[in-house]
Amino acid sequence: AQTVTQSQPEMSVQEAETVTLSCTYDTSESDYYLFWYKQPPSRQMILVIRQEAYKQQNATENRFSVNFQKAAKSFSLKISDSQLGDAAMYFCAYRGSQGNLIFGKGTKLSVKP
Amino acid sequence: DAGITQSPRYKITETGRQVTLMCHQTWSHSYMFWYRQDLGHGLRLIYYSAAADITDKGEVPDGYVVSRSKTENFPLTLESATRSQTSVYFCASSERPRGTEAFFGQGTRLTVV
Repeated sequence: AQTVTQSQPEMSVQEAETVTLSCTYDTSESDYYLFWYKQPPSRQMILVIRQEAYKQQNATENRFSVNFQKAAKSFSLKISDSQLGDAAMYFCAYRGSQGNLIFGKGTKLSVKP
Repeated sequence: DAGITQSPRYKITETGRQVTLMCHQTWSHSYMFWYRQDLGHGLRLIYYSAAADITDKGEVPDGYVVSRSKTENFPLTLESATRSQTSVYFCASSERPRGTEAFFGQGTRLTVV
């Protein structure tokens, strides 16, 4: 069975600074997808970024980028120029051949003004 | 309304009662999912469905039943509610390609007393 691990329950960053959230996963599959979702206090789940395992190039979306290390099964999220609106829970997720979408336990990000 | 909707938004029930949480999506997405979110556990997959009449267990299926007779609906039933099932429940849906985004409902907060 696949698992997703987020080892940082909480993180804090100063406004305008950069922060990196960690995620590791375990799978025997070679073809899969990885996602980062953001959950603000409203509880709405918002897709931040996605990565296809067969693409070596790291995905980027504006201030958000990932460091995808397939061999190490690592998928970290970097947030540049952090903004107050980035404060939220961040979830790493894995989707494999069965189509099921598995999440980590989340990292609560605080942004200090 | 277009999108994915859950009902009810809030529910209080007694131990031992049967309760059904509804999920409806208007996109004709193939995949649908049910998660529970608990502090310290992130989102845990209860059941998922790849198409009408096809359902599979997730990480925590015990005590829950699902059905999917129509593509757009995916109800989750707690046959005999227990206090440990007090949680926030999220329904989600996605199109068939596994790399596509999953869209989430607003969640149902269930309290079992």
